[in-house]
Order: sequence, then C-alpha cells, then structure tokens
Amino acid sequence: QKEVEQDPGPLSVPEGAIVSLNCTYSNSAFQYFMWYRQYSRKGPELLMYTYSSGNKEDGRFTAQVDKSSKYISLFIRDSQPSDSATYLCAMSAADSSYKLIFGSGTRLLVRP
Amino acid sequence: DGGITQSPKYLFRKEGQNVTLSCEQNLNHDAMYWYRQDPGQGLRLIYYSQIVNDFQKGDIAEGYSVSREKKESFPLTVTSAQKNPTAFYLCASSITVTANEKLFFGSGTQLSVL
Repeated sequence: QKEVEQDPGPLSVPEGAIVSLNCTYSNSAFQYFMWYRQYSRKGPELLMYTYSSGNKEDGRFTAQVDKSSKYISLFIRDSQPSDSATYLCAMSAADSSYKLIFGSGTRLLVRP
Repeated sequence: DGGITQSPKYLFRKEGQNVTLSCEQNLNHDAMYWYRQDPGQGLRLIYYSQIVNDFQKGDIAEGYSVSREKKESFPLTVTSAQKNPTAFYLCASSITVTANEKLFFGSGTQLSVL
C-alpha cells in the first residue's frame, strides 16, 4: 500500500464548476500538507501549503486537512480552462529533514 | 527573475553512455534536490544536498551520481548502471532542507533511451 493515494483521473468538468481533488494517506505522523499544480511537461508549482488540520483559502482555492480521517482535499471554485493541469498532493512529517511524499497526481480537464 | 534552470529540455542516451543533466538556481537556496517522475507515479527522490560539498542519497539513488561544488549548481549524472533511465527529471530547491515543504522546481528534462 502506498503511503499517499491519489486518484489519477482524468477528471473532466465544465467551466465554472466546483472541483474537488483528494488524497488519502496512511502515516499519522504527517503534519505538513501541500498541493502542487503541474502543467504538461513543466515543473510543479506550489499552490497551497497547510500545517496540521483545518482549512486554508487563497482566492479560488481552498485546502482542507482532516487528520482524523487521514484525508486532504483541494477545492477549486469557478474553475477555468487554465486550471487544466495535473494536481499533486505532497506531505511530510514534522520530524523528517527532507522526506516529502508525493501522490501520483490527478489530471484535471476544464472544458470551455 | 529568480528561478531554477534545467538543461537540456530533452536528452537521449545511448546504451552504456553516461549523461549529465544540468540544474542551476539563482534563488540563493541552500538545499537542492533531484526527483524522478514516471507516468502514474509520484515524484521519487534521487539525491538531495543540504549545503555545498554535501549530498545524501534519496530513495532511488542507484545508477545516479551528483556533485555540489557551487551553491548555485547541482548536476545529476545518469550512469550506465541505471538500466531504466527513461523518465522526466525534475530539479528543485528550498531555502533549507527543513523548509522543504516549499519547493521550487525547474521545468524538467525528459530523458529517453535510443
């Protein structure tokens, strides 16, 4: 079993829809949770960063962490065709010096 | 503009050949990393460096080598011992290793075998 599970998609939605992207994990020591966006054949870019549990909002993006369920989510409101990309979740434990664990990514397609 | 530059964008390797991927950063970050990305898999850590003249193996270091002679540069050599080198290689940096939750990535190098 992988430490971090992420549905590969693709997830296809119409423009303007609310998108929900999710990851589950097995290591209860994870404290830092990140979402990266990766356009095709480009490097990932950090979208959201959350420490421990709770919600964080940044414009159209909201990140949620539910540590009791070992489940994290990224919501995209008013989705745009420019949001079409692969979304990678990543997480690490508070005691690790370098160990980021990445999900395999969910491919999102927003149709005009 | 500050950032990470990877070159070349595409690279082809012949059997038995060593190839080197370049990574340069002007962010003044201490920590640098090399990841490998295969279709349907998460990023896997090959090597990382906390500081100049120091580097550590990641999860899949076999068949790879690195050097860190300058703060700005962290080249990766894919040796002939790496039997399945075809992948998308990503270089990244962070202010320090302990701040690795905020990685900055380059645009990647696609390595293929001829």
